[in-house]
Amino acid sequence: DTEVTQTPKHLVMGMTNKKSLKCEQHMGHRAMYWYKQKAKKPPELMFVYSYEKLSINESVPSRFSPECPNSSLLNLHLHALQPEDSALYLCASSQVPLNTEAFFGQGTRLTVV
Amino acid sequence: GESVGLHLPTLSVQEGDNSIINCAYSNSASDYFIWYKQESGKGPQFIIDIRSNMDKRQGQRVTVLLNKTVKHLSLQIAATQPGDSAVYFCATLLANAGGTSYGKLTFGQGTILTVHP
Repeated sequence: DTEVTQTPKHLVMGMTNKKSLKCEQHMGHRAMYWYKQKAKKPPELMFVYSYEKLSINESVPSRFSPECPNSSLLNLHLHALQPEDSALYLCASSQVPLNTEAFFGQGTRLTVV
Repeated sequence: GESVGLHLPTLSVQEGDNSIINCAYSNSASDYFIWYKQESGKGPQFIIDIRSNMDKRQGQRVTVLLNKTVKHLSLQIAATQPGDSAVYFCATLLANAGGTSYGKLTFGQGTILTVHP
């Protein structure tokens, strides 16, 4: 199984809503990532988890809150988002400590209204 | 700061032709240089990588060339097929960003490759 599964595929939320994005992998990877991708732009790193611990927060606003409940799951909790947060949110995983081959999910297309 | 850029935003080729996608990078400290492919509606997919101490690496139908003197990376695709149509991103990897054990992957702007039958 070389898949990273993200749910939901699409999400529309209001600026006062609270929602969560979910990501799951069963490849035994111990590094998991959240990326944000705007239309026609490259993915931008948001968070990195290594062995279920937050390793990097790329100065992401606190309205985005990541969580790694176990080695297979990664969540991104969303609260009080702005319309400019609308984007494709990609989850990825890779082996640690260093691997150039990250496996990406197909993303959650988020629209904030 | 680190940046990775591309010379051309779009490339159109005929099926069967060879394709060359170029990328300029700025951070000489990068340990690896990688190419990813992103098809419409999907996440990026790893194609091939090259370590900073190498200048050429070949895969199946793909070759990556690294010229550190001019900070240039290229991806050559042989006998391009319609299924190769996608956005291609070059990326750089720092082996030990911030002293942690993971690699920080930074993507360039992307080239849209269109293959005409």
